[in-house]
Amino acid sequence: SQTIHQWPATLVQPVGSPLSLECTVEGTSNPNLYWYRQAAGRGLQLLFYSVGIGQISSEVPQNLSASRPQDRQFILSSKKLLLSDSGFYLCAWSTSLTDTQYFGPGTRLTVL
Amino acid sequence: AQSVAQPEDQVKVAEGNPLTVKCTYSVSGNPYLFWYVQYPNRGLQFLLKYITGDNLVKGSYGFEAEFNKSQTSFHLKKPSALVSDSALYFCAVRDSSTGFQKLVFGTGTRLLVSP
Repeated sequence: SQTIHQWPATLVQPVGSPLSLECTVEGTSNPNLYWYRQAAGRGLQLLFYSVGIGQISSEVPQNLSASRPQDRQFILSSKKLLLSDSGFYLCAWSTSLTDTQYFGPGTRLTVL
Repeated sequence: AQSVAQPEDQVKVAEGNPLTVKCTYSVSGNPYLFWYVQYPNRGLQFLLKYITGDNLVKGSYGFEAEFNKSQTSFHLKKPSALVSDSALYFCAVRDSSTGFQKLVFGTGTRLLVSP
């Protein structure tokens, strides 16, 4: 069966510090991968998605970037965090055979 | 462009009573519709989806949803609510005519089930 992991689970970072969040998927090949941000426990904002290694599409211009160095690994990064980057970051996967996205456990980021 | 509306910010029901969480959508083509549930500080869990076929879709934990094309709705229902159903529920839509599986989510409805 497929599983999705995210780490760290929680992170507290000062303004201006770098960021790296990691997401990995097991049990499937060539998944579509997604990064979402959820602010204030409500709506989800799609940040990036990827259909393959090195292929990244950005949905919203912002202080963040994403990379996919391996088939089942998706990384969210920032060179300098802003207060507004605080939120709950969710990674998800899907395949071409299913329209369903499956979500990871999330990372709670607090920027102080 | 596709969009989803969840008109109720919060729904309160008593345990044992039926529950309904409302969702309406807008797409240019045929819709693919989804319901997810989120417990505090957790990721979203998939409940059910409508792609094609029977308008009544059954999902996990006794939930079901009815697709109504004329009313462009996909309301989530459960015959008898449990306290453990208390959570945040998200409706999502994808336009089947788009080439990529990008979902648009509603703003969420908080379900509170009282004992």
